[in-house]
Amino acid sequence: GEDVEQSLFLSVREGDSSVINCTYTDSSSTYLYWYKQEPGAGLQLLTYIFSNMDMKQDQRLTVLLNKKDKHLSLRIADTQTGDSAIYFCAETFRDYGQNFVFGPGTRLSVLP
Amino acid sequence: EPEVTQTPSHQVTQMGQEVILRCVPISNHLYFYWYRQILGQKVEFLVSFYNNEISEKSEIFDDQFSVERPDGSNFTLKIRSTKLEDSAMYFCASSKTGTVTDTQYFGPGTRLTVL
Repeated sequence: GEDVEQSLFLSVREGDSSVINCTYTDSSSTYLYWYKQEPGAGLQLLTYIFSNMDMKQDQRLTVLLNKKDKHLSLRIADTQTGDSAIYFCAETFRDYGQNFVFGPGTRLSVLP
Repeated sequence: EPEVTQTPSHQVTQMGQEVILRCVPISNHLYFYWYRQILGQKVEFLVSFYNNEISEKSEIFDDQFSVERPDGSNFTLKIRSTKLEDSAMYFCASSKTGTVTDTQYFGPGTRLTVL
């Protein structure tokens, strides 16, 4: 079945760039997503990328997709303490229904 | 900004008891979902619901689980006879159109603890 993997922890200094990585197994994935979960809150959609794209940029966020290696990354430029959260990679291989497969989440700690 | 709300934030129950987790989706949304996250593990899809019926469910969503939209605003998840392994954070979500590019809004979750 589908599987999505992420490293569990990442620490960066405030002002540095953070790169959170994700690998997935289902080559028929159509959309890949990044969600953010702050303590005590639900998951918040940050961005998504369609599988025929290589890159998507949205302000401080850059998503890179290497479909050959089934590797997705999220780069956060100028990381701030407010970016400290758990970041989930997720995929779907269909056009409807949003039955996502989530990764385990990467806990990003931003140090002052 | 509209948001999905869930009650209670934390529910403690004895094994074998029934629990009902409640969610109020965003008012003009048509698609509703339940996910769960066992502590330290991945977020897992349970069920999706549209037009007053289940549109999809995972293997986790067995006969012990049921969903309902009893009054046009609430969306509930019932676990008939809870097991220890049902202890998890349960997230409700809703979206307007159900398509993959439509934002799915998540609630803050209900932490269920089964003793």
